[in-house]
Amino acid sequence: SYELTQPPSVSVSPGQTARITCSGDALPKQYGYWYQQKPGQAPVLVIHKDSERPSGIPERFSGSSSGTAVTLTISGVQAEDEADYYCQSADSSGTYVLFGGGTKLTV
Amino acid sequence: EVQLLESGGGLVQPGGSLRLSCAASGSTFSSYAMSWVRQAPGKGLEWVSLILGSGGTTYYADSVKGRFTISRDNSKNTLFMQMNSLRAEDTAVYYCAKVLGLRTGDWYFDLWGRGTLVTVSS
Repeated sequence: SYELTQPPSVSVSPGQTARITCSGDALPKQYGYWYQQKPGQAPVLVIHKDSERPSGIPERFSGSSSGTAVTLTISGVQAEDEADYYCQSADSSGTYVLFGGGTKLTV
Repeated sequence: EVQLLESGGGLVQPGGSLRLSCAASGSTFSSYAMSWVRQAPGKGLEWVSLILGSGGTTYYADSVKGRFTISRDNSKNTLFMQMNSLRAEDTAVYYCAKVLGLRTGDWYFDLWGRGTLVTVSS
């Protein structure tokens, strides 16, 4: 079965750059999306179509794609960015939506 | 601005059934696809099902196929999930989410409800 793989955790100091990578065999063919989820809250979309930022999301959030991986980059990390981050994509047929296992970002 | 509000969660015995609802505000409900995504306690997100705007086409994760049925009533701006033959592993917070993306494979979720908790236990 198709999977998206993320590191379980990433830790950075305030002001540093955090990078979270998500890998999957269908990513060269499908877009990657990123969600931020804080405890007790619903997820929030922070990046769509690999690198586009929805309105209202701070500019320090950016995304990129290369081969079988997509990467979420948070520049100048702030304490409020501490959360779980999930990548999302689709399988090669496009009929199954998939989430990565999530990465806990500790600031 | 569209808002989503889930209801219908609760405690149910293994093998039982439950029907979730998601009420959407706004007048363009029928113009976009909708989805259910769940999250087991302390675990990650898991996509469950998706229905296109017209309601005529549906998609399911293998883990729920044959047991769950997604539907919608566009006249009432409401999304449903009928869950049958429930198992302990179906215990989760169930979120409804508004779908963007024009084609299969491009679907993503730009708006989420607050979720409703389903607990399957004897």
